[in-house]
Amino acid sequence: GENVEQHPSTLSVQEGDSAVIKCTYSDSASNYFPWYKQELGKGPQLIIDIRSNVGEKKDQRIAVTLNKTAKHFSLHITETQPEDSAVYFCAASKTSGTYKYIFGTGTRLKVLA
Amino acid sequence: GAVVSQHPSWVICKSGTSVKIECRSLDFQATTMFWYRQFPKQSLMLMATSNEGSKATYEQGVEKDKFLINHASLTLSTLTVTSAHPEDSSFYICSAQLGANNSPLHFGNGTRLTVT
Repeated sequence: GENVEQHPSTLSVQEGDSAVIKCTYSDSASNYFPWYKQELGKGPQLIIDIRSNVGEKKDQRIAVTLNKTAKHFSLHITETQPEDSAVYFCAASKTSGTYKYIFGTGTRLKVLA
Repeated sequence: GAVVSQHPSWVICKSGTSVKIECRSLDFQATTMFWYRQFPKQSLMLMATSNEGSKATYEQGVEKDKFLINHASLTLSTLTVTSAHPEDSSFYICSAQLGANNSPLHFGNGTRLTVT
């Protein structure tokens, strides 16, 4: 079945360093890839997304890259700050067929001050 | 924009009672809302897809008679956990889709249900 693998499950970085989280999807028909940030006790918040017709998208300190051939997409956070500490989820979706989101297993990011 | 409000944020109930959770899209109309369940330190598990004016579509393994979903208007969906048991204790999160299929999902802040 459709699957999204996410790595690493936990990630600790020093404040100011970069953090990279990677996801791999199985369904080649997937064409929409959002990233969500979930803080403790709250719902996930959409932070950035990318569609399959684009290879890279950037929003200030956050960027997402997509390699359709390899079915990989990654979240890059530069100049990390303590408030970036949270759980990050990737997801994959597609326009055709069953369009529900398939979520990754999450990455717990800890930014050390 | 795209604010989803979920209430209550937490609830404690006794075994055997029912609990209703509301999910509202505040600044947009959502023909489709989704209900998720999240166990500690785990990912989001889709329970059901709620469509305005029609019956919800439940995922495999989710009891529709236990988790009643009503989507009576374009801005409100409710999840009722009936005859709750301690194993129903969990974090329940709703989301609403802004636009057509494959458009962003916006999540509520979740409801922490504890059944004693």
